[in-house]
Amino acid sequence: GENVEQHPSTLSVQEGDSAVIKCTYSDSASNYFPWYKQELGKRPQLIIDIRSNVGEKKDQRIAVTLNKTAKHFSLHITETQPEDSAVYFCAATRAGNQFYFGTGTSLTVIP
Amino acid sequence: DTAVSQTPKYLVTQMGNDKSIKCEQNLGHDTMYWYKQDSKKFLKIMFSYNNKELIINETVPNRFSPKSPDKAHLNLHINSLELGDSAVYFCASSQRDRGTEAFFGQGTRLTVV
Repeated sequence: GENVEQHPSTLSVQEGDSAVIKCTYSDSASNYFPWYKQELGKRPQLIIDIRSNVGEKKDQRIAVTLNKTAKHFSLHITETQPEDSAVYFCAATRAGNQFYFGTGTSLTVIP
Repeated sequence: DTAVSQTPKYLVTQMGNDKSIKCEQNLGHDTMYWYKQDSKKFLKIMFSYNNKELIINETVPNRFSPKSPDKAHLNLHINSLELGDSAVYFCASSQRDRGTEAFFGQGTRLTVV
């Protein structure tokens, strides 16, 4: 099966700085990589995703990059704001397979 | 309309009891899941189920059992509850044959006392 590793487990940044969370996966057949944000007491919700035929995708202040050769993908948040504080999960999957989640990164944005 | 809904949101019960958590999705997805999230926030998959296949995480005690009356529902039944079962349980669904995003329910916080 797939194995997804996520780093760091905790991350603190000053408001306005950038945050980067990295994930690696083991199954070269995985082709869909979503990122979820989970605010305190809430459900995980999709914030951005990328498929393996794309190297980078951006949506306002968040972006995801994918390196298929190295089997790693990263979430980049620029101009961080206090409301970005949450736990972020990466995941990897492919059609017919279940979701494999990373272990989560607790991001704290310090005002 | 809520895409994935689960009930109850909070559940407090005594050790040794049997309890169920219900989950329903109205997205027409082919696969439903149960995840356990403990205090360390890790999302541990317990079950993956569609109308053809039940995949059980081998580390899940057999006191936990999924029950699916139909494609839109996947309930979680827990026998002989233990203190270590206290956690937040999330139901989710996805269209597994297309490999698209999973939608989560709001979670059930189970506290065993």
